[in-house]
Amino acid sequence: DAGVIQSPRHEVTEMGQEVTLRCKPISGHNSLFWYRQTMMRGLELLIYFNNNVPIDDSGMPEDRFSAKMPNASFSTLKIQPSEPRDSAVYFCASSAARRYTEAFFGQGTRLTVV
Amino acid sequence: GENVEQHPSTLSVQEGDSAVIKCTYSDSASNYFPWYKQELGKRPQLIIDIRSNVGEKKDQRIAVTLNKTAKHFSLHITETQPEDSAVYFCAASNMFNSGYALNFGKGTSLLVTP
Repeated sequence: DAGVIQSPRHEVTEMGQEVTLRCKPISGHNSLFWYRQTMMRGLELLIYFNNNVPIDDSGMPEDRFSAKMPNASFSTLKIQPSEPRDSAVYFCASSAARRYTEAFFGQGTRLTVV
Repeated sequence: GENVEQHPSTLSVQEGDSAVIKCTYSDSASNYFPWYKQELGKRPQLIIDIRSNVGEKKDQRIAVTLNKTAKHFSLHITETQPEDSAVYFCAASNMFNSGYALNFGKGTSLLVTP
């Protein structure tokens, strides 16, 4: 298995533009998580899905952020409009949605908003 | 929700010495406590985990202890080597109430000097 796949690996965009981050979880995993990593705040959970259904989006910072999971093999995190303070590394992770199971992280997307 | 505090934020040891990282959690119902290692520019990866019904777990040079009464858990690395240099994250999860999402501490940057 190729693991969790995220794209793009790097994204540089201008303030105000729409940004879409993509994630393909490990086949067979039915939990998917989006995390944001910054030096100041560490790894913050933004949203997670079980069986394609959003369970908890309380970590989504603002209405500018939205996430979807249209099927078991694909998820997107969208920021519209983007702001410089959104610059961070965004990780997607997936797990098998059972007790005491490891979450596998993707390589992350480094987002820079200028 | 769950709040995980991690200390210290940075730790420098000499090769061969031991390193200890401590975490506290707020939700007494949390029952799963993994530790992730993140090397520079890479994704976080699980190194060891412990469940709430276990007080201690060891895997070669790393060990984790859990004190449920005090709501804290620790990572112990013995005989440290330069390749142990990385950022270490503790996490806590209440598999029953919050699904399978991990709430992370802010991380400890460990530097092992030869």
